Amino acid sequence: DTGVSQDPRHKITKRGQNVTFRCDPISEHNRLYWYRQTLGQGPEFLTYFQNEAQLEKSRLLSDRFSAERPKGSFSTLEIQRTEQGDSAMYLCASSLVGLAGPRSYNEQFFGPGTRLTVL
Amino acid sequence: RKEVEQDPGPFNVPEGATVAFNCTYSNSASQSFFWYRQDCRKEPKLLMSVYSSGNEDGRFTAQLNRASQYISLLIRDSKLSDSATYLCVVNVLEKYSSASKIIFGSGTRLSIRP
Repeated sequence: DTGVSQDPRHKITKRGQNVTFRCDPISEHNRLYWYRQTLGQGPEFLTYFQNEAQLEKSRLLSDRFSAERPKGSFSTLEIQRTEQGDSAMYLCASSLVGLAGPRSYNEQFFGPGTRLTVL
Repeated sequence: RKEVEQDPGPFNVPEGATVAFNCTYSNSASQSFFWYRQDCRKEPKLLMSVYSSGNEDGRFTAQLNRASQYISLLIRDSKLSDSATYLCVVNVLEKYSSASKIIFGSGTRLSIRP
């Protein structure tokens, strides 16, 4: 399967613990996005990378959240000191941006998501 | 006010009916527009881009009205398999950076009954 993959698919943790999620984008894609989605809502943008550079972070992304894409391939999203309000589906998407530049938009391909439950 | 707003529905229509959704956006720096489809417990998938002149893909027609800041999606001859949540997506250019921001609406639920 050459689509976007995410690991783990499900994570249950206790309040206050740290969690880390991984996303492997489609291999030739240079842009990678993280979103959070709760029931009945659309995906909320968290952050995105162009290669290894983090270009944009949402105000939703508190200091407890950090994302990395060290080699411009896979990415990790870490949540420190989890709270019950962090329970959601965390979606990763990737796209290929060409000559149109960083402000352009190309179709995003989403992974299956990581469902986080904070008890 | 949300930056991208959609009627949450649900829209419950019979097979074969025509159904239309609207989506409004508030940021005039919005550059590009899309409709995504999300099936229950699945990830979103691109349905179609929305072009200024309007565009059609089979039974689906998308329209953009920049003056009134809304986009629409029309589904003709609806099928049972069209049952899903339809997400409006807007790409907003950040004024003082080289980045852009992707904003999803909350989605409109559509249920097609036999």
